[in-house]
Amino acid sequence: GAVVSQHPSRVICKSGTSVKIECRSLDFQATTMFWYRQFPKQSLMLMATSNEGSKATYEQGVEKDKFLINHASLTLSTLTVTSAHPEDSSFYICSARVLAGGETQYFGPGTRLLVL
Amino acid sequence: GNSVTQMEGPVTLSEEAFLTINCTYTATGYPSLFWYVQYPGEGLQLLLKATKADDKGSNKGFEATYRKETTSFHLEKGSVQVSDSAVYFCARTNTGNQFYFGTGTSLTVIP
Repeated sequence: GAVVSQHPSRVICKSGTSVKIECRSLDFQATTMFWYRQFPKQSLMLMATSNEGSKATYEQGVEKDKFLINHASLTLSTLTVTSAHPEDSSFYICSARVLAGGETQYFGPGTRLLVL
Repeated sequence: GNSVTQMEGPVTLSEEAFLTINCTYTATGYPSLFWYVQYPGEGLQLLLKATKADDKGSNKGFEATYRKETTSFHLEKGSVQVSDSAVYFCARTNTGNQFYFGTGTSLTVIP
């Protein structure tokens, strides 16, 4: 089956620093990738939709200058949390939609971010 | 609006018990409906899906039927196993194929 990886799996950083999270589709091409945030014991909240070669579409309430998304190729999207603060600590999950595959999405294993 | 509501957990069952996790949705149009499962320490995995009314999704003994009249997609399994212990998420898509998830239901199956 299709595999999506995320790197790093876990990161701890100091307040004020920026953190980049990578999402890769390993064995398929994905025109669209999605970024989610999951708080403890809560559901996944869609943050933004990332399309290869174009600007990301952010959900209401998500700061685009805070969460920078770059979808540079059909297999890679990155999420950069800029000037991270403790309230940004969360579990970030990406998913990738198979090229011309309709609704099928494959999820990455997630990245645990802890901002001290 | 676009929302998914699923029963709150946690749910604890004995092995071989019957499982039901309720899920209802609100949507404009005709969304596709999904159940995803998240095992401890792992990412989400698609468990089953249904794309139109009266469709039944099934996998690994789990079933869910797309009920348009009650806007529901309840997950059922006749006999749970310890290995089914996980968090289960109900989800729907919108016209843009974006996913909206319920809050998740934690299931623990004890021997």
